[in-house]
Formats: sequence, structure tokens, C-alpha cells
Amino acid sequence: ETGVTQTPRHLVMGMTNKKSLKCEQHLGHNAMYWYKQSAKKPLELMFVYSLEERVENNSVPSRFSPECPNSSHLFLHLHTLQPEDSALYLCASSVLVGGETQYFGPGTRLLVL
Amino acid sequence: QKEVEQDPGPLSVPEGAIVSLNCTYSNSAFQYFMWYRQYSRKGPELLMYTYSSGNKEDGRFTAQVDKSSKYISLFIRDSQPSDSATYLCAMSASGGSNYKLTFGKGTLLTVNP
Repeated sequence: ETGVTQTPRHLVMGMTNKKSLKCEQHLGHNAMYWYKQSAKKPLELMFVYSLEERVENNSVPSRFSPECPNSSHLFLHLHTLQPEDSALYLCASSVLVGGETQYFGPGTRLLVL
Repeated sequence: QKEVEQDPGPLSVPEGAIVSLNCTYSNSAFQYFMWYRQYSRKGPELLMYTYSSGNKEDGRFTAQVDKSSKYISLFIRDSQPSDSATYLCAMSASGGSNYKLTFGKGTLLTVNP
């Protein structure tokens, strides 16, 4: 595997479910990001990690909980989501936080029923 | 006023046409300017990266930045059906704590054979 990978690619969940999204980067980068992409809206930055430490929590509801166990892996734990949380969730990485070039994964398409 | 404005299109052109995609922005601190291409059901991929004002050319693609007008453009020459995608502009201020990428909404381009 090369670049940034994300699993699952598609996820359907009910509002009472708990699920996790996984991201793995194979680029040796030190910074990782979660973005939300909704139709007709710009990408919204959710969380930023630098060397496994969270450096940004962009006013995201607590029903989204990130975890970064090491610089190559990033998780987004989901619980009691709302239908308006349905979106494409993108993971990205860069050499350093402040590195302008971010490399994106293919995303997880999430549908909350 | 939104920080980054981008006409969402859709834009439909015949094969071989010259395509012009544009973004305007309001934050004069932006110094790094990027264009990402996003195919359907994929994550964004970095297409062009420019620092400050000026032009940058890469094959059929030319990125232009006019900081005095707060206006950036991406030109695609001899457009091909494989160029059909959503094009996202993104920009950021200098590094360090100003690491956030601010995205436009994206322009959907279709190149018809």
C-alpha cells in the first residue's frame, strides 16, 4: 500500500451505533488530519495531529472522537451521530504541521440513518 | 464575505478547449496556493502548488496567482475527457500555527469527447 489509505470506504450506521473510521499513511509524515466534505460546502477541517498529539479541535461535536496511536495511524470514533453528519470523511497527512502540501486518502462515505 | 470564493459550476467544455478555473479570496495573509483535483468517489490529489504571486506551468496546466487582486487561476490547455473532475482551490498563510488550508467549494468540470 502506498500513500494514504482509509477503511471502510463506505459505512451506513444508525444514530445509536458506534463505529470507527481508520486512516493509515505510508509516507513517513508526522502530521495527520481529519476533514469533512459535504455536498456544496468547502472541506471542513475537524482535527489535526502532530506526532500523535492533537493540535487542533475545530469546534467539532463530542460525538466525533479522534485517536492517533502513532504517527502512521489515525482513527475517528463515531457515536450517536445525526443524519446531518452524513458526508465524505477524508484523512490527510503532511510532512509537518505547517507543511502546506497535504496528501489525501480516498475518504469514507458515511450515511447516518 | 467568505474567505475563499469559487464558482461551483458545473462547467462543460468540448475536448481540446482551454479551461479557466478561478478563485478569489479575502485574507491577505495567504501566501501558499494550491489546486487539487478530485475525481468522483476519490480523495483530492494535489495538482499545482504556488508560493506567492506569479505563474507556474506543469504540462497542460498553468497556475496563476495575483496577490494584488486576491485572485488565483488554473488554466488547462488541450483539455481531455480524463480532466473531468472537481477542482478545488486551497490556500494557507505561512507555516507554523498558520497551517490550516482554506478550501473553495470546488468547480465541477466535464470535458466532452
